[in-house]
Amino acid sequence: DAGITQSPRHKVTETGTPVTLRCHQTENHRYMYWYRQDPGHGLRLIHYSYGVKDTDKGEVSDGYSVSRSKTEDFLLTLESATSSQTSVYFCAISELNEQYFGPGTRLTVT
Amino acid sequence: EDKVVQSPLSLVVHEGDTVTLNCSYEVTNFRSLLWYKQEKKAPTFLFMLTSSGIEKKSGRLSSILDKKELFSILNITATQTGDSAVYLCAVEDRDDKIIFGKGTRLHILP
Repeated sequence: DAGITQSPRHKVTETGTPVTLRCHQTENHRYMYWYRQDPGHGLRLIHYSYGVKDTDKGEVSDGYSVSRSKTEDFLLTLESATSSQTSVYFCAISELNEQYFGPGTRLTVT
Repeated sequence: EDKVVQSPLSLVVHEGDTVTLNCSYEVTNFRSLLWYKQEKKAPTFLFMLTSSGIEKKSGRLSSILDKKELFSILNITATQTGDSAVYLCAVEDRDDKIIFGKGTRLHILP
């Protein structure tokens, strides 16, 4: 398995609180991605990164920010969580021809 | 607006049958098309297709891309119960964005 971990794996938080999800890789891959997966919508790209400090928005970026200060870490922050951000969040990495996903983080916003 | 459409949304067949899953796309600046298998956890990479007409095979799975008609198919021959999963199609553009379809849920009956 590709060396991708996500933390935390599960989190329950209250509306209005800040939340940060971490994606860590040991593969030294250049590209990293954050997706959310929701019933009826499939996987949707939130933000992605093509290098340290190089990030860009995906199709559902509102309410989310990211940071990549090191190759191995890609952080996703919800500045003020809302119930609509309850979802399963997947991180992915890629280099050349293949993409690998992390195990996912289940976030519940009450 | 870029989009990826998969069909059928769900499919139930008997073990031993052959299935064909479809993926059509409308994406500006197409770079590649990817297929994933998702069981209960994170998606697992299957194929990446960049050139028309070149079939990629892995065991009982194969896939081909038609860049003129903008679609791809994923074939599974001699299906087994372990093939039951959601199969995701995604398209990557030259700006490094990835757009996913909603998936085809495949259920194999013993």
